[in-house]
Amino acid sequence: EAGVAQSPRYKIIEKRQSVAFWCNPISGHATLYWYQQILGQGPKLLIQFQNNGVVDDSQLPKDRFSAERLKGVDSTLKIQPAKLEDSAVYLCASSLGLGAGRSDGYTFGSGTRLTVV
Amino acid sequence: SQKIEQNSEALNIQEGKTATLTCNYTNYSPAYLQWYRQDPGRGPVFLLLIRENEKEKRKERLKVTFDTTLKQSLFHITASQPADSATYLCALDPSYNTDKLIFGTGTRLQVFP
Repeated sequence: EAGVAQSPRYKIIEKRQSVAFWCNPISGHATLYWYQQILGQGPKLLIQFQNNGVVDDSQLPKDRFSAERLKGVDSTLKIQPAKLEDSAVYLCASSLGLGAGRSDGYTFGSGTRLTVV
Repeated sequence: SQKIEQNSEALNIQEGKTATLTCNYTNYSPAYLQWYRQDPGRGPVFLLLIRENEKEKRKERLKVTFDTTLKQSLFHITASQPADSATYLCALDPSYNTDKLIFGTGTRLQVFP
């Protein structure tokens, strides 16, 4: 089974520029998550989708971050404008659906490493 | 405040010994707790899940315990190998219905030959 695909793997941008990350979850996985992982810390949840609807975006800095999951499959996360403190790895994860993660865990992609200079 | 704490210092052990990692949480009442392994440059990989009504769970050389009174989970790797060297993250769902994971900071394990 193919894993969670993310692109790009690395991105370097200047502050105040915009950037977008793409995620393709495992086929059939209804629940999708975006996490931010700052160096030396654990992943922090940004947003949770169930199909194409948002379940939880309480930790998403909505003044600069946005995310969408059109058609309930692929998802994009955008930052505009980027700040230095946005430098982190952005991880996408998926699970079969609400409740499935409780028994099967979540499957993560390898992430996109963002450096803002 | 709500916290999930793991030992931030790296754990260094000799090959063949048992590694024990600790996860403590405060102001949560999780229905379950999960453990993940993360290698450099990779995303976390799910290892084990233990529910609140389970005291212990095993999978091959891995063992997890869950003490809801102490608010603590212990993660053991027996007969450790250099290939077990990685960062280990504990995570919990803060409520019964949200199905989202809150992660600890992780503990880096280094197994020396």
